[in-house]
Amino acid sequence: SAVISQKPSRDICQRGTSLTIQCQVDSQVTMMFWYRQQPGQSLTLIATANQGSEATYESGFVIDKFPISRPNLTFSTLTVSNMSPEDSSIYLCSAGLDGLSTDTQYFGPGTRLTVL
Amino acid sequence: GNSVTQMEGPVTLSEEAFLTINCTYTATGYPSLFWYVQYPGEGLQLLLKATKADDKGSNKGFEATYRKETTSFHLEKGSVQVSDSAVYFCALSDHTGGFKTIFGAGTRLFVKA
Repeated sequence: SAVISQKPSRDICQRGTSLTIQCQVDSQVTMMFWYRQQPGQSLTLIATANQGSEATYESGFVIDKFPISRPNLTFSTLTVSNMSPEDSSIYLCSAGLDGLSTDTQYFGPGTRLTVL
Repeated sequence: GNSVTQMEGPVTLSEEAFLTINCTYTATGYPSLFWYVQYPGEGLQLLLKATKADDKGSNKGFEATYRKETTSFHLEKGSVQVSDSAVYFCALSDHTGGFKTIFGAGTRLFVKA
């Protein structure tokens, strides 16, 4: 299984600022995903990030608020822009491994964001 | 569209009790089904999966059987331990959804010594 790391693990930010979260996978993967998990809630998919193409955003999420980069097959970033307290959540990246386990996602440890 | 419904928690059990967490799904295609576990302060870990009808996924004493006739994937464990205390998420993924994974709401399990 892939090992996925995220940085930072947590942060406390002021409203109106932006935070970029990094996600690193230890093997090359085609599909990466970004999720938000609000306190006590399930996971909500923000966008799908495939290398070499624009990210595909889910309903309710827009590129201006959550710009995503996917410069290569092992790395992606998610930026939370112009933050407000409502953006306080855990943000998780995941990767679907190529090959037989394409439908199985492996998750990073998450970034716990608090916006004051 | 695809969706997952799982029993609400929290579920509180004594150590060595039998665990069942119910999960049903709605899907237009033929999805793969998963159980993920989230321990306190950690990310999600894949617990088990099943990819077709009648498949049984198993891991760490947990089991779940893919029941197409009842569109269910209930999680069971014969004897829970305190270390099983976590949030459990049922999920599905299928190629018609571009391999996006749809998660249930999660069920928090507390196991008392």
